[in-house]
Amino acid sequence: GNSVTQMEGPVTLSEEAFLTINCTYTATGYPSLFWYVQYPGEGLQLLLKATKADDKGSNKGFEATYRKETTSFHLEKGSVQVSDSAVYFCALILYNNNDMRFGAGTRLTVKP
Amino acid sequence: EAGVVQSPRYKIIEKKQPVAFWCNPISGHNTLYWYRQNLGQGPELLIRYENEEAVDDSQLPKDRFSAERLKGVDSTLKIQPAELGDSAVYLCASSYGTGGGYEQYFGPGTRLTVT
Repeated sequence: GNSVTQMEGPVTLSEEAFLTINCTYTATGYPSLFWYVQYPGEGLQLLLKATKADDKGSNKGFEATYRKETTSFHLEKGSVQVSDSAVYFCALILYNNNDMRFGAGTRLTVKP
Repeated sequence: EAGVVQSPRYKIIEKKQPVAFWCNPISGHNTLYWYRQNLGQGPELLIRYENEEAVDDSQLPKDRFSAERLKGVDSTLKIQPAELGDSAVYLCASSYGTGGGYEQYFGPGTRLTVT
């Protein structure tokens, strides 16, 4: 079946540190890949997405590249800020249906 | 543009009691989703509507859960009777269309605690 596996958290970093959150997927078809972010007390917000192999999604300094050969979509940011503290979810959806599958989420805490 | 609105934000009930959640999607969004998010996990789809039709309810526990989307706009999700294991955050989302090309917009969720 279709599923997403995320790096387990929590992750704690100092401000301006480099961030990587690993995400790998299993899919029977050709999925679109997403990273969502959930700030405390809020709903999930789309952070970035990629719809085909080798696409790079980017937003707010975050990047992730769709790697079909390694079935991965790792999230990176070169210099994190305290305001990036949140829970990050990797997700996939097959283009021909609407069954979105989420990873378990990774909680990031950035300390000043 | 207003986002997805959900109410209530928090609900505490005793087991065996009924509870209902309400969702107002973004104007013009034909597709509406209800997800359940257990603590420390990602959201899992309960039901998906396209307009007023429930097109995917395979994960909805139909013995105690029900949902409706009258007139293809607002939606309610009901649990009757609630069990301790129903404690979770219930998220509503909407999208303009269906499939991987359409972003899903999420509401803030309703945190349900069953005691």
